[in-house]
Amino acid sequence: DTEVTQTPKHLVMGMTNKKSLKCEQHMGHRAMYWYKQKAKKPPELMFVYSYEKLSINESVPSRFSPECPNSSLLNLHLHALQPEDSALYLCASSLAGGPNEQFFGPGTRLTVL
Amino acid sequence: GENVEQHPSTLSVQEGDSAVIKCTYSDSASNYFPWYKQELGKRPQLIIDIRSNVGEKKDQRIAVTLNKTAKHFSLHITETQPEDSAVYFCAAPRDDYKLSFGAGTTVTVRA
Repeated sequence: DTEVTQTPKHLVMGMTNKKSLKCEQHMGHRAMYWYKQKAKKPPELMFVYSYEKLSINESVPSRFSPECPNSSLLNLHLHALQPEDSALYLCASSLAGGPNEQFFGPGTRLTVL
Repeated sequence: GENVEQHPSTLSVQEGDSAVIKCTYSDSASNYFPWYKQELGKRPQLIIDIRSNVGEKKDQRIAVTLNKTAKHFSLHITETQPEDSAVYFCAAPRDDYKLSFGAGTTVTVRA
């Protein structure tokens, strides 16, 4: 399996909701990433997990909470989001000890009302 | 930290012609330079990458050249086809995990 999968594909939520985004890979990669992408802009790094430990948090607001339950799974818990958080959320994975090719998932299109 | 500039921001070419996108970087220690293609509504996908120990790499109609002295690298697409229409991002590493992306180039191939 050489793909990163993400669920859901689309998500609409209100500002008081709590939701979670999920990401999975079975390539044996030990580095996993969350990115946020606005239309026609490059991906912006949010978090990096290396060997299931959070190694990088790019000063992301606490309303975004990442979790890495095991080496294949990555979650992003969302709470009290703002309309400006509407974007495409991409998960990626790579071999650890890089820099190495990052494999991106198809993303979750998030709309915050 | 690493700063990557990408030009042009948009590029329109006739089918069959060549396309060239150029990126410059600031950190002379950078050693890995990937190019990602993102079609509308799709994920970014790596199309080619180069490490600093080589000056050029080719894969069919795509090539990347690296000039370490001038700190720039370029993507070359020959014999462009409609399916090459997409946004292309270059990148350079800020460390083992962080990539600094260029702003992107929207390529349109006219039939």
